[in-house]
Amino acid sequence: GAVVSQHPSWVICKSGTSVKIECRSLDFQATTMFWYRQFPKQSLMLMATSNEGSKATYEQGVEKDKFLINHASLTLSTLTVTSAHPEDSSFYICSAPLTTYNEQFFGPGTRLTVL
Amino acid sequence: AQRVTQPEKLLSVFKGAPVELKCNYSYSGSPELFWYVQYSRQRLQLLLRHISRESIKGFTADLNKGETSFHLKKPFAQEEDSAMYYCALTSSGNTPLVFGKGTRLSVIA
Repeated sequence: GAVVSQHPSWVICKSGTSVKIECRSLDFQATTMFWYRQFPKQSLMLMATSNEGSKATYEQGVEKDKFLINHASLTLSTLTVTSAHPEDSSFYICSAPLTTYNEQFFGPGTRLTVL
Repeated sequence: AQRVTQPEKLLSVFKGAPVELKCNYSYSGSPELFWYVQYSRQRLQLLLRHISRESIKGFTADLNKGETSFHLKKPFAQEEDSAMYYCALTSSGNTPLVFGKGTRLSVIA
């Protein structure tokens, strides 16, 4: 199967700072990637769809100015949490679909803790 | 609206016992249904999908359109089956997934 990586795997930051999370498709190209958020003991909720070369599509209730998404290449999407606050603490997971397998492959996730 | 319901947060069974993890969905159209599994400290991975109608690690799931269900079954549970299981749907392989809340399966020796 295909591999999707995320970096960092965990990050702790102070309130008010910005944090960048990278999502890479290691052995395939992905024109689209998805960003999910998972709060403790809850399910994955879609935040946004990242599109290579164009603006991301955000789900209702997700602030696009707070969660900046950049999909600058066919193998990399970044999610920047700007001016992070404790309520942004969560597990952020990205996925990338691979048309050949008609399947989505998930990254290992990034745990963000905002103090 | 698209929705996936997994009524059980936790399911505990003894080793060798049958397992059924329930999943019901709400979708206007013909969705693709999936079961994903997440073992401890590992990433989410696909277990099986309804269109392939295959058995993976002894698990099977049949799509029942009349009951809008996609329950996951295994006749004899093994300790290594202990994990978090998510039912999910999408309209196609390239669109985002809608997940259920997940069921934690604990297989007791």
